[in-house]
Amino acid sequence: DTGVSQNPRHKITKRGQNVTFRCDPISEHNRLYWYRQTLGQGPEFLTYFQNEAQLEKSRLLSDRFSAERPKGSFSTLEIQRTEQGDSAMYLCASSQVGGPITDTQYFGPGTRLTVL
Amino acid sequence: DQQVKQNSPSLSVQEGRISILNCDYTNSMFDYFLWYKKYPAEGPTFLISISSIKDKNEDGRFTVFLNKSAKHLSLHIVPSQPGDSAVYFCAEGLGDKIIFGKGTRLHILP
Repeated sequence: DTGVSQNPRHKITKRGQNVTFRCDPISEHNRLYWYRQTLGQGPEFLTYFQNEAQLEKSRLLSDRFSAERPKGSFSTLEIQRTEQGDSAMYLCASSQVGGPITDTQYFGPGTRLTVL
Repeated sequence: DQQVKQNSPSLSVQEGRISILNCDYTNSMFDYFLWYKKYPAEGPTFLISISSIKDKNEDGRFTVFLNKSAKHLSLHIVPSQPGDSAVYFCAEGLGDKIIFGKGTRLHILP
């Protein structure tokens, strides 16, 4: 299966710790997106990359959050000094610019973060 | 202010009948709308989309209708099957971003 993969699937951490998540997109996709989903809400856009360039960041992405895509392939999302409000599902998606269906985004299974 | 509204948190439909999921939007400058389906412990899966120049798009059992004057979008699933039980997200595509609604949980009853 060559879909979007995310690791780890689950992460439990104590408040104040740093955490890092990884996303491996579909190999030929040049765009990569990060979303956050909390209970009862739809996914909320955080940031996206085209190749290695980070093109947009949501105001939801505070200074404690940083995302990278160093070689234009996999991406990491780091949260520093985690807070309980950071507890959520973090979803990654990828797409191909100019793809057949309006640059359809394909999602990974997500990383569920619990901050104690 | 939420741009994409799914006002029904849940919906129950008998197997074999039609499921109709609704979505209202506020932004008239959209490029396209999409519907995603999500099972527990999985990421959302793309289902069907419609561009701003169309009012209907069909793909097998799934049809999306767009009423621009009412700023209303609906997804019809017919006939409904047990595997359709999931959370359905209406989403608006604007440039490079997708704005999701809160979702509607669909239960298909045997």
